[in-house]
Amino acid sequence: QVHLVESGGGAAQPGRSLRLSCAASGFTFSDYAIHWVRQAPGKGLEWVAVISYDETVKYYASSVEGRFTISRDNSRNTIYLQMNSLRPDDTAVYFCARVEQPVVVYFGMDVWGQGTTVTVSS
Amino acid sequence: QSVLTQPPSVSGTPGQTVTISCSGTTSNIEFNYVYWYSQLPGTAPKLLIYRDNQRPSGVPDRVSGSKSGTSASLAISGVRPEDEAIYYCEVWDDGLGSPVFGGGTKLTVL
Repeated sequence: QVHLVESGGGAAQPGRSLRLSCAASGFTFSDYAIHWVRQAPGKGLEWVAVISYDETVKYYASSVEGRFTISRDNSRNTIYLQMNSLRPDDTAVYFCARVEQPVVVYFGMDVWGQGTTVTVSS
Repeated sequence: QSVLTQPPSVSGTPGQTVTISCSGTTSNIEFNYVYWYSQLPGTAPKLLIYRDNQRPSGVPDRVSGSKSGTSASLAISGVRPEDEAIYYCEVWDDGLGSPVFGGGTKLTVL
């Protein structure tokens, strides 16, 4: 069964860092691009970043560009989101999600993790 | 302000057909695949429709998607109380170089 499991969330002060992980199982991880999507309390879905299957393509939302870095370790079936210079408006549940077609980046998401909560507050 | 425009809420009585619209532009909906997700409070989004009008296994055939020009729609026929959720459309935007989500539509079954 295809699974994505996020971890690494928690509380952080403004300006500090956190690293989120997304562990995959049940499919050929190295064939798929993966997105990070977040949802602030009571708000809608906001796309954060995507990484291609081979790490050659990485895109970021303008709200996180220069502060967040997405990466992957295909030997560990894991995606990472390094979040630096955190701000209170980064407070959200962070989901990782698989692109529904192997290799491509520009398609939508078919499998989502359960999410991990990040709270940024002084 | 979302790039894709959805009504904040729709409602229907059991058995009715409910339609949720998603309005975009030539940079997104017209030339890229539209996806629809449902989300219950406190849970992860779930894929309902992919590539404009395809249903994943397990999604009933009373759920359907369509697209025309720069707009897309999700229709749920024979709506049931368990269909109450928030529904999001999503599509790649060529101008932004990223996927974009609609603001979400809350479906209430009266």
